[in-house]
Amino acid sequence: TQLLEQSPQFLSIQEGENLTVYCNSSSVFSSLQWYRQEPGEGPVLLVTVVTGGEVKKLKRLTFQFGDARKDSSLHITAAQPGDTGLYLCAGFDSWGKLQFGAGTQVVVTP
Amino acid sequence: DAGVIQSPRHEVTEMGQEVTLRCKPISGHDYLFWYRQTMMRGLELLIYFNNNVPIDDSGMPEDRFSAKMPNASFSTLKIQPSEPRDSAVYFCASSKFGTDIMNTEAFFGQGTRLTVV
Repeated sequence: TQLLEQSPQFLSIQEGENLTVYCNSSSVFSSLQWYRQEPGEGPVLLVTVVTGGEVKKLKRLTFQFGDARKDSSLHITAAQPGDTGLYLCAGFDSWGKLQFGAGTQVVVTP
Repeated sequence: DAGVIQSPRHEVTEMGQEVTLRCKPISGHDYLFWYRQTMMRGLELLIYFNNNVPIDDSGMPEDRFSAKMPNASFSTLKIQPSEPRDSAVYFCASSKFGTDIMNTEAFFGQGTRLTVV
């Protein structure tokens, strides 16, 4: 059983459309992170959120952390083919343990 | 720093053989993680170390799996004997976990793709 549940598992959209992926947990984490993974590579950190209710923007990406610090969302505006990848949410507990959700595979076609 | 270095990149072995995966973390990082990634199960945490000491190995699937970290710059994950269901991509990651949560990041190696036939 995954501690971090991500949805949807797969998302295919056209260039220029918007998309949102979700991450939900039954536990509270010290911090929640979003990573992106491309084929043949390891995941790379996009953002860290710490405070409940926090919203962070990274160009066309908007990250939200739920008030109870157990859920998060990633919204991409005007998606581009370069946004294609596996998006993973991850949580650090207070002992340094880092666990990941199963990921959402995003495909953006021109 | 060259980042987290894993070897080999690819490994094909026969069922029953011993497999050893290697990892060199980023210098100065005090945490090291071993993950296994498959389509079915996603990215699973197998074991992690803090200052070379194993902290949580509850993700290690069976006694056939073992991991060591003899010093701060080297870790191994061993599977003996290997089975076809062990086929996956194995990632090593390192981080410096401290009080500054906002700047705590896990850096991943490029992974080892293991195929057991």
